[in-house]
Amino acid sequence: DSGVTQTPKHLITATGQRVTLRCSPRSGDLSVYWYQQSLDQGLQFLIQYYNGEERAKGNILERFSAQQFPDLHSELNLSSLELGDSALYFCASVSWSGTQYFGPGTRLTVL
Amino acid sequence: AQSVTQPDIHITVSEGASLELRCNYSYGATPYLFWYVQSPGQGLQLLLKYFSGDTLVQGIKGFEAEFKRSQSSFNLRKPSVHWSDAAEYFCAVAPNTGGFKTIFGAGTRLFVKA
Repeated sequence: DSGVTQTPKHLITATGQRVTLRCSPRSGDLSVYWYQQSLDQGLQFLIQYYNGEERAKGNILERFSAQQFPDLHSELNLSSLELGDSALYFCASVSWSGTQYFGPGTRLTVL
Repeated sequence: AQSVTQPDIHITVSEGASLELRCNYSYGATPYLFWYVQSPGQGLQLLLKYFSGDTLVQGIKGFEAEFKRSQSSFNLRKPSVHWSDAAEYFCAVAPNTGGFKTIFGAGTRLFVKA
């Protein structure tokens, strides 16, 4: 158990819809990364937050956004969903050394 | 540019045989180094990490890795593979100043045959 929680575990929705994925980091970690993992793209870094502030952006689409709240949990919002957005979405809680502790992921299926 | 290369997309070994997964990095200074394992449909689990000191690092599940500065490598090894080791393995690096910019390799998928 990494100490990182993600909800929901599975999400099935239709094209054009909007969903929110939630992540709670390990106690004491201030930073959260979001990743998308699909069969054809591998593990893609989306965005990083540190103590409520956005720190880095990766291959994140404009239809996607994220935020980190004062209690340090983070949410990833995906809108105008397309079939190609179907993937596993992971968050990772990051310690000061750069060690990343991954959550179990949310499997998103867009029909 | 900073990068992590895992030259083998997939590897097949027989159960009980030894294993070595390769990882090479390109970085301005000696980074922190990590190996993660991911079973199908699961999150990534940290196997081991190297920060400094002894260049041979022991991890969980019987894995070890050796840091070789001259070769910019951090190869993962296991003396005897079990069928349950079949998974995808990721090498990663982060700056040795701490901080939060971790770079992952593309991964090596391990298949174990009986």
